[in-house]
Amino acid sequence: AQTVTQSQPEMSVQEAETVTLSCTYDTSESNYYLFWYKQPPSRQMILVIRQEAYKQQNATENRFSVNFQKAAKSFSLKISDSQLGDTAMYFCAFISGPNDMRFGAGTRLTVKP
Amino acid sequence: DTGVSQDPRHKITKRGQNVTFRCDPISEHNRLYWYRQTLGQGPEFLTYFQNEAQLEKSRLLSDRFSAERPKGSFSTLEIQRTEQGDSAMYLCASSRTSGRFDEQFFGPGTRLTVL
Repeated sequence: AQTVTQSQPEMSVQEAETVTLSCTYDTSESNYYLFWYKQPPSRQMILVIRQEAYKQQNATENRFSVNFQKAAKSFSLKISDSQLGDTAMYFCAFISGPNDMRFGAGTRLTVKP
Repeated sequence: DTGVSQDPRHKITKRGQNVTFRCDPISEHNRLYWYRQTLGQGPEFLTYFQNEAQLEKSRLLSDRFSAERPKGSFSTLEIQRTEQGDSAMYLCASSRTSGRFDEQFFGPGTRLTVL
């Protein structure tokens, strides 16, 4: 079974600081994709960053970057220069086909001024 | 606004009643997904369509749940004889088949409360 685990239910960070959210997953597939989604309070979920498993280079999107460790099945999200608008639930997700996206339980991130 | 839309945004119903939710995907997207999200959890896959064909249903989708996408555009999710355990956020997402990876775009969700 494919599972996604986020071991940090809640985290907080001071504005302008850096924070890392953890995610581990379990799969027997060799080709898959990993994502981080952001769900702001009462707003819809949006894709933050994605990583294809066959690419060794870690993905980066502006202030967001990932540390993808395939052998360890680890996929952490680093947010640099945290902003108040980064306050949200963050979900790690995994997919290996069109219909089996699996999400972790989420990490609630609060950016403090 | 050309994003995924869902209607209604909130629904309160009494146990045993039937409810129906609607999802309008991004117009050129051929795939449409339904998820359920309970408090403190990530979304769980329920079912997905490619055009008008329902290709996969999760075991979470009991016989009381039915989804349709009659013309390959909007979709409806109906829950019959609602139970308190059906209380959740129901999310719709859509994507366009483009090869190895389809980015799913999510709607705002319909929050269902069963009293």
